[in-house]
Amino acid sequence: ETGVTQTPRHLVMGMTNKKSLKCEQHLGHNAMYWYKQSAKKPLELMFVYNFKEQTENNSVPSRFSPECPNSSHLFLHLHTLQPEDSALYLCASSRGAGEGETQYFGPGTRLLVL
Amino acid sequence: KQEVTQIPAALSVPEGENLVLNCSFTDSAIYNLQWFRQDPGKGLTSLLLIQSSQREQTSGRLNASLDKSSGRSTLYIAASQPGDSATYLCAVNDTGFQKLVFGTGTRLLVSP
Repeated sequence: ETGVTQTPRHLVMGMTNKKSLKCEQHLGHNAMYWYKQSAKKPLELMFVYNFKEQTENNSVPSRFSPECPNSSHLFLHLHTLQPEDSALYLCASSRGAGEGETQYFGPGTRLLVL
Repeated sequence: KQEVTQIPAALSVPEGENLVLNCSFTDSAIYNLQWFRQDPGKGLTSLLLIQSSQREQTSGRLNASLDKSSGRSTLYIAASQPGDSATYLCAVNDTGFQKLVFGTGTRLLVSP
């Protein structure tokens, strides 16, 4: 148990659906991250939030919309996704966004888009 | 653009063997390099973080080395155990912020 939880753990959605992924960290960290892990591809950073402010958007399509209402919670709102968006979505947090910090990962949400 | 490669993609060894996992990166101007472990159905767990000024880090049976000039890192696992079975990921930080670039991982299976 790393102190980072994600819900739901599994999600199946159609291309016209709207759903949200939730991440919560109980570590008192100030930075939170969304990653995408597709089969046979490296883990890709999607978004970074530091003190609730988005500091990184790694050219992510607008059908993915992040929200960070406070330092403990991070959401990823999904709408009109494509089958190629099927992947494991991992959330992580770190004490700060500096280069020496260790990131702590949640278990991920496995998403299947039909 | 930084690219991280891990070899081999998969490795199967009997229990007790010492083994080495390899990681290479294309741009040697990095701040640090981390090794993670990923278990099925679980997130990543950080194993070792090596700063660019360091040459190695050790934690228990794990030893990670870094040769920045050649763009290489190795993770040495001594006396492997079935519980070491997992996917091992290497990631480099080359921006000074938390923007990690990951390799595709090495899937390790240690047989009893």
